[in-house]
Amino acid sequence: DVKVTQSSRYLVKRTGEKVFLECVQDMDHENMFWYRQDPGLGLRLIYFSYDVKMKEKGDIPEGYSVSREKKERFSLILESASTNQTSMYLCASSAHRDTYYEQYFGPGTRLTVT
Amino acid sequence: GENVEQHPSTLSVQEGDSAVIKCTYSDSASNYFPWYKQELGKRPQLIIDIRSNVGEKKDQRIAVTLNKTAKHFSLHITETQPEDSAVYFCAASPYPPGNTPLVFGKGTRLSVIA
Repeated sequence: DVKVTQSSRYLVKRTGEKVFLECVQDMDHENMFWYRQDPGLGLRLIYFSYDVKMKEKGDIPEGYSVSREKKERFSLILESASTNQTSMYLCASSAHRDTYYEQYFGPGTRLTVT
Repeated sequence: GENVEQHPSTLSVQEGDSAVIKCTYSDSASNYFPWYKQELGKRPQLIIDIRSNVGEKKDQRIAVTLNKTAKHFSLHITETQPEDSAVYFCAASPYPPGNTPLVFGKGTRLSVIA
C-alpha cells in the first residue's frame, strides 16, 4: 500500500519566516509533486521533480523553492512566508512507468501565515 | 500548454439520480484522462481513468466517456448515494506521461441530497 506522508497537518507561521514542508513516499516513485489547493482554484502545481536533484517549475512557483536530495523525500520551502501563501499544500508521487500513472497524494498541510 | 476546463463547479442531485461532470482540454497530444475524488478533509484519490484508444470505460456506478475529436470527456455517476458527495477533479496529460505532469480542472463539488 502506497504511503505518502507530510510532516505536519497544521502549521502556523509568521510573515517573513522561512517554512519547510516535508513529503516522504515509500513506494520508490520517481515523480513527486507539490500542489496548492484553494477554494475555487482547484489543484495548482507549484513544482515537480522526476528524479533526485531534478526540479521543474509548475504553474505557480513564485515565492517557493524545492529540494530533492533523496528519492523518497521532496521538500517545499517558503523562503519568506507571506499571508497570501496561507493555503492547503498537497504533496503527491507517481511511478514513471508506461502502464501505471496513478498519483498518490499525501494528507495535506494546512498552512496559516499570520 | 494544456488547459483543462471543468463544468459545473457545483452540482446538487437527489439521491438515486445521475450526475454528469464535463471537462474539455486544449492539447491534442493529451491522451490520458483520470478522475480524482476528494472527500471532505481527505486526500484526492483516483477513481477511474481512460486512455485515448478507448471511448468509454465503466466501473460499477461510474463511467467515463471520451470524445477526442471534440476534445472533451465526462464522468457519469448513476444511482447516486450520499457517499458520492465530494469534490471531483478531471485531469489530462500525454500517455505515457513520462516527465509531463497532469493538468487538473478546477473541480466540481457534488452534493447528493438524501
